[in-house]
Amino acid sequence: EAGVAQSPRYKIIEKRQSVAFWCNPISGHATLYWYQQILGQGPKLLIQFQNNGVVDDSQLPKDRFSAERLKGVDSTLKIQPAKLEDSAVYLCASSSIQGDSDTQYFGPGTRLTVL
Amino acid sequence: GENVEQHPSTLSVQEGDSAVIKCTYSDSASNYFPWYKQELGKGPQLIIDIRSNVGEKKDQRIAVTLNKTAKHFSLHITETQPEDSAVYFCAAGDGGSQGNLIFGKGTKLSVKP
Repeated sequence: EAGVAQSPRYKIIEKRQSVAFWCNPISGHATLYWYQQILGQGPKLLIQFQNNGVVDDSQLPKDRFSAERLKGVDSTLKIQPAKLEDSAVYLCASSSIQGDSDTQYFGPGTRLTVL
Repeated sequence: GENVEQHPSTLSVQEGDSAVIKCTYSDSASNYFPWYKQELGKGPQLIIDIRSNVGEKKDQRIAVTLNKTAKHFSLHITETQPEDSAVYFCAAGDGGSQGNLIFGKGTKLSVKP
């Protein structure tokens, strides 16, 4: 079974530029998560989708971050404009059961550096 | 909201020794406690998890214990090997309907040959 796929793996941009990350979850997984992991810290949830609907985006900085999951499969996370403090690893995870705290499987992440 | 504290932040052991990492959580409604291993440049990988109706769970050299009264849970790795070297994260499911996980800050484990 293929794991969670993410691209690109690395991205370097200047502040105030925009950037987008892509995630393809494990086949059949209805729930998709985007996390931000700042160096030396644990992952922090940004947004959670159930199929193509948003379940929780309470910690998403909506003035600059947006995410979508069209057709309930792939998802993109966008930052516009980027700030220095957005430098982090952006992790995508998926799970097959929503609402039961079931196992989340993580992708390799996208390391973003904002200069 | 839920808060998860993890200790120690770094742990160095000799190959063959045991390693113990401890976490505490604040929300008594949390009912799911996974442990993830993260190697450099990779995403977190689930190594073991425990639910609130169980006090202990083992999988070969890895075990997790849960004390719901005290709101703490621990990871035990026996007979450590150099390939166990990584950052380990504990997490707590917030007990809500969404299955969100709150992570600790991680423990960097180094196993010296």
